[in-house]
Amino acid sequence: DTAVSQTPKYLVTQMGNDKSIKCEQNLGHDTMYWYKQDSKKFLKIMFSYNNKELIINETVPNRFSPKSPDKAHLNLHINSLELGDSAVYFCASVNQGSGANVLTFGAGSRLTVL
Amino acid sequence: KQEVTQIPAALSVPEGENLVLNCSFTDSAIYNLQWFRQDPGKGLTSLLLIQSSQREQTSGRLNASLDKSSGRSTLYIAASQPGDSATYLCAVRPGDAGGTSYGKLTFGQGTILTVHP
Repeated sequence: DTAVSQTPKYLVTQMGNDKSIKCEQNLGHDTMYWYKQDSKKFLKIMFSYNNKELIINETVPNRFSPKSPDKAHLNLHINSLELGDSAVYFCASVNQGSGANVLTFGAGSRLTVL
Repeated sequence: KQEVTQIPAALSVPEGENLVLNCSFTDSAIYNLQWFRQDPGKGLTSLLLIQSSQREQTSGRLNASLDKSSGRSTLYIAASQPGDSATYLCAVRPGDAGGTSYGKLTFGQGTILTVHP
């Protein structure tokens, strides 16, 4: 299936731990994103990478470090997890080079910090 | 700073009804507006995209309108079905179509729609 795949789907961890969420897209897109959906259901952009280059960083704490080893992957590493990091994290992609407008979203990764 | 508001927050209707979901945004300098559907445990599915120069878009039983100058959009769902039950999200993309705003969507909180048989 062509899609945006995120792992893990659910993640429960203790405060202070370091965790990673992985994202892969097999759509041939050149731009990938991380969005965060908080408890109030607002989706907010965190990061965007175009061809492995960071182009959007929305004042996210530096405990969050995205890494794009190639343009099909965008992983999110979070250090020293805090209670407020509990949310659903969505990965998305688009082919910016073709001028496409519609982002394809992954199914989300629900992070719970205890 | 762009803010997007959706009304109502939740809506419950019997099957077969026509319904309207509302979205308003504070900064009219948008590039486009999209309506998404979110199902529990699944990602977002794009339903309709309206460019800033357009007034409406239609897909099947869905019709979305855009009044950019007043900062409003509506999503009309005709003959609702239980399968339409989901959260509907409205999102706007800023008017700066440059690379740094590409995909930088501002979302509303969504309207939770329940269509009961």
